Amino acid sequence: GNSVTQMEGPVTLSEEAFLTINCTYTATGYPSLFWYVQYPGEGLQLLLKATKADDKGSNKGFEATYRKETTSFHLEKGSVQVSDSAVYFCALSDRDYQLIWGAGTKLIIKP
Amino acid sequence: DSGVTQTPKHLITATGQRVTLRCSPRSGDLSVYWYQQSLDQGLQFLIQYYNGEERAKGNILERFSAQQFPDLHSELNLSSLELGDSALYFCASSVGQGRAYEQYFGPGTRLTVT
Repeated sequence: GNSVTQMEGPVTLSEEAFLTINCTYTATGYPSLFWYVQYPGEGLQLLLKATKADDKGSNKGFEATYRKETTSFHLEKGSVQVSDSAVYFCALSDRDYQLIWGAGTKLIIKP
Repeated sequence: DSGVTQTPKHLITATGQRVTLRCSPRSGDLSVYWYQQSLDQGLQFLIQYYNGEERAKGNILERFSAQQFPDLHSELNLSSLELGDSALYFCASSVGQGRAYEQYFGPGTRLTVT
């Protein structure tokens, strides 16, 4: 079946550091891939998406590239800010259209 | 603001009771999804409706049911509540149904069963 695996957190970085949160997936078809972010006490916000191999999604300085050969969709940002502190979820959508979620990675940015 | 609204924001109830969670999708969105977020199980898909019809079911308990009305709002009914049903329940909507469509999430309803 379909599944998503994310690196465990929390990930703690200093402001302006480079961020990578790893995400790998297993899917039977050709899924779309998403990153969602959940700020404390809030709902889930779509951060970026990619719908086919080699697509790069980007938003607010975050990027992720759909790598079919490594079944990965790692989230990166060149210089993180304190305001990026949140929980980040990797997810996929396949033939059933529902989102299959990773466990979430808590990101803590220290000033 | 995603445009998806959920009520109530918080709900505290006792075991054995029944509650109804309500969701209004974004204007123009035909598809509604329900998800449960709990500490032990993470985020899980419950059920999806498209233009009033049930289209997909996930890990939804038999004690739970949902429907989507002609005006496209949706309700999730949880009955015979147990302590383990305490969780954050999210509704999401998308304009169509398909793997490429983005789902927009409401703020969630936090259910506490005592």
